[in-house]
Amino acid sequence: ETGVTQTPRHLVMGMTNKKSLKCEQHLGHNAMYWYKQSAKKPLELMFVYNFKEQTENNSVPSRFSPECPNSSHLFLHLHTLQPEDSALYLCASSLTSGGAGELFFGEGSRLTVL
Amino acid sequence: KQEVTQIPAALSVPEGENLVLNCSFTDSAIYNLQWFRQDPGKGLTSLLLIQSSQREQTSGRLNASLDKSSGRSTLYIAASQPGDSATYLCAVTDYNTDKLIFGTGTRLQVFP
Repeated sequence: ETGVTQTPRHLVMGMTNKKSLKCEQHLGHNAMYWYKQSAKKPLELMFVYNFKEQTENNSVPSRFSPECPNSSHLFLHLHTLQPEDSALYLCASSLTSGGAGELFFGEGSRLTVL
Repeated sequence: KQEVTQIPAALSVPEGENLVLNCSFTDSAIYNLQWFRQDPGKGLTSLLLIQSSQREQTSGRLNASLDKSSGRSTLYIAASQPGDSATYLCAVTDYNTDKLIFGTGTRLQVFP
C-alpha cells in the first residue's frame, strides 16, 4: 500500500465542470506538493504546502485552486479548465519542504478535459 | 537556472545486460539527487536518494553515483530483467531555489 493515496485515478470533465482531486498521505509528513506531468515534458511543480501553509505557487492559473486542511490531506479544486490542462496530476509528500528531504509520490490522477 | 538532462531518451536492451542511464545537471549547487521509476500511467517510485556529500548509493541491482563537481549522475542496473522496463527519472533539489527539478526521463525496455 502506497503511503500517498490519490483519488480519483481517472477523471474526465468538460470545460464548464467543477471537480476536485484528493491526496492523502499516511507517512507523518508535513509538506505536500502538486505536480503536473504532460507528455514529453519534465514534471512541473504547481504548489507546495508546508505545515498546512502554502509556500509555493509556481505561477499556476487561478482555475486550479489548492486546499490543505491539515498536513495529511491536500486537494486540487478544478474549474473552467482548458483541454491543454489534460495531464497526469501527481501529489507528493516529504518530511518538510526544505532542502534534503526525500519525496514520495502518489499514483497520480489522470485528467482529461473535453 | 538549473536544468536536468537525461540521455538517452529511450533504450531497448535484451534481458541480462548491464546498463547505464545518464543524468546531467547544470548547477552543482544541489542538496541531493533522486532517481525515480515510473511505470506507464502510474506515479513515481523513489529508487535511490544521494545527498550532495555522498558519492553513491546502492539498492539491490541498482547503483547510483554522483559527481557533483561535473554535474553528473549515473544509474547502473545490473543483470537487467523485463520487469525493469519503465521510465527512469532523475531529479535534483536545487540549493538556490529549494525546488526539485526533473529531467524528462529515459524510457527503458528490456526484452526477453
